Amino acid sequence: QVQVVQSGAEVKKPGASVKVSCKASGYTFTNYAVHWVRQAPGQRLEWMGWINAGNGNTKYSQNFQDRVTIIRDTSASTAYMELSSLRSEDTAVYYCARGGLLGYSFDIWGQGTMVTVSS
Amino acid sequence: QSALTQPASVSGSPGQSITISCTGTSSDVGSYNLVSWYQQHPGKAPKVMIYEVSKRPSGVSNRFSGSKSGNTASLTISGLQAEDEADYYCCSYAGSSTWVFGGGTKLTVL
Repeated sequence: QVQVVQSGAEVKKPGASVKVSCKASGYTFTNYAVHWVRQAPGQRLEWMGWINAGNGNTKYSQNFQDRVTIIRDTSASTAYMELSSLRSEDTAVYYCARGGLLGYSFDIWGQGTMVTVSS
Repeated sequence: QSALTQPASVSGSPGQSITISCTGTSSDVGSYNLVSWYQQHPGKAPKVMIYEVSKRPSGVSNRFSGSKSGNTASLTISGLQAEDEADYYCCSYAGSSTWVFGGGTKLTVL
């Protein structure tokens, strides 16, 4: 069964960092990309960035350029997204999604990870 | 990167057809046939319904169709059913290995 499973909910204080994991199974991890998308409560989907799981190349949205880092561990078929300097506006559900099978779309999504930033 | 523009809400009765528009610019929607559409039910992860403007993934009903003209893409759902009630998001490749989503449209089946 092709799936990606994310790590659990996090509560962080302003200024801290959070690292969310995304473990792939059922397919060859290095043949595809992993994208990260977030959704604040009641708000739209927002694309954050992606990693080519094969060569490790990354690209980030300008909106997160200075605060987001995406890496992958091919031995564990897992991608990670770290967001630093957290503020209350970063409270959101963070999704990972596979890219590269259906053109430039995202075909397999994780269950989402709720990150709450609160003092 | 500005979000693509979608109507906040649309509605239709069972059996009817509705169309959701998605307007971008000549730098994203207008430049690439790489628009995708996602359905999201409350509390759930998005699901791809259309990719590359008009292609349907395996398992997606043929009641869902997509098109594009200039800087505007559209999603049409025919034969509306109660289970189609959800939020719908368009997404476009925007060049330089970046993507942009729309603001989302809430579909209500009356």
